[in-house]
Amino acid sequence: DTGVSQDPRHKITKRGQNVTFRCDPISEHNRLYWYRQTLGQGPEFLTYFQNEAQLEKSRLLSDRFSAERPKGSFSTLEIQRTEQGDSAMYLCASTGTSGRSYEQYFGPGTRLTVT
Amino acid sequence: GNSVTQMEGPVTLSEEAFLTINCTYTATGYPSLFWYVQYPGEGLQLLLKATKADDKGSNKGFEATYRKETTSFHLEKGSVQVSDSAVYFCALSDRGGATNKLIFGTGTLLAVQP
Repeated sequence: DTGVSQDPRHKITKRGQNVTFRCDPISEHNRLYWYRQTLGQGPEFLTYFQNEAQLEKSRLLSDRFSAERPKGSFSTLEIQRTEQGDSAMYLCASTGTSGRSYEQYFGPGTRLTVT
Repeated sequence: GNSVTQMEGPVTLSEEAFLTINCTYTATGYPSLFWYVQYPGEGLQLLLKATKADDKGSNKGFEATYRKETTSFHLEKGSVQVSDSAVYFCALSDRGGATNKLIFGTGTLLAVQP
């Protein structure tokens, strides 16, 4: 399967701990997005990479959040000093630059529960 | 700013019934419009898309037409099946922006009963 993969699928952590999620996009895709989805809501944009450059960050991405894509391939999203309000599904999506519609392909998500 | 509004659920239908899920949008410029589906325990899957006014996207019996005059992109299916039970998200992508990030509606839960 050559789709978008995310690891781990589930993470339970205690408040105040740091967590890191990984996303592996479709191999030929140079654009990568992180979204956050809370229960009963649609996904909300967090940040965007083109190759290794982080070009946009949402105001939702507080100082406790950091994302990297060091070699323009996989990406990591780290949350420091987790809070209960960080509990959500974290989704990664990727797309290429060919075509006009820039369809985004989503991974299965990482569900974070902060206790 | 750009936004998407879709009808609240849950929508409960009997098998073979006709489905409509309403979606309207607010956007500057000329966005691309999408419907994504999320089955229980799975990630989002692109269901269909339309990139310009009057385009009709279709897939797996679902259709939606990009109506610029009413800023709408309603999802329809003539005969739903139990396997269509899922959450459906309408979304737009501002092609004039640098990132083409997606802006989603809140989702509509569809439950199809046999």
